[in-house]
Amino acid sequence: DQQVKQNSPSLSVQEGRISILNCDYTNSMFDYFLWYKKYPAEGPTFLISISSIKDKNEDGRFTVFLNKSAKHLSLHIVPSQPGDSAVYFCAARTYNNNDMRFGAGTRLTVKP
Amino acid sequence: DSGVTQTPKHLITATGQRVTLRCSPRSGDLSVYWYQQSLDQGLQFLIQYYNGEERAKGNILERFSAQQFPDLHSELNLSSLELGDSALYFCASSAGSLRGRSGELFFGEGSRLTVL
Repeated sequence: DQQVKQNSPSLSVQEGRISILNCDYTNSMFDYFLWYKKYPAEGPTFLISISSIKDKNEDGRFTVFLNKSAKHLSLHIVPSQPGDSAVYFCAARTYNNNDMRFGAGTRLTVKP
Repeated sequence: DSGVTQTPKHLITATGQRVTLRCSPRSGDLSVYWYQQSLDQGLQFLIQYYNGEERAKGNILERFSAQQFPDLHSELNLSSLELGDSALYFCASSAGSLRGRSGELFFGEGSRLTVL
């Protein structure tokens, strides 16, 4: 079952503009949400996370927004840089569970 | 470099065969996770071990099994292989139980399995 969904397989933006990657989830028990970035031939690497008690978490150019009522989160990258081109995975887990569920990923391309 | 080591990086085998994928977690990490990524699919959680014991189970087929050894390395065994088992298999580790923490995982580079 796909408890975490990323409905956009790809996104292309111009360098310097904002990139917005979206993620929806179905399990209302999820407490933590994370974004991972994956370059070709590498494993995913952790980017940023947010707890369900917050609605925003910012780290430099990356901001994650959480809308619990809509079961939706988004990752904003401002300004986008060519080096941000990668596949971005949204992930979620519950407080007491050890497994982490991932979405299908969104391939971001930032054009110079 | 995440500190998680997976071998082999690439593996080509035939249907019906059996393979073993190996993972060495980051030094000091007690938890090991296995994920499968098929073509254009997300990361499907298979199984998690913590300090040698199975802690969580996802969509792992009965033909697949895993274990974590006393030295904390883990092996994922895939048997009676089918064409559909061709995928990238990732191992990840974390310091301990994710319980109560955001749960950052450190991933290896993956083992690409091709079943012909």
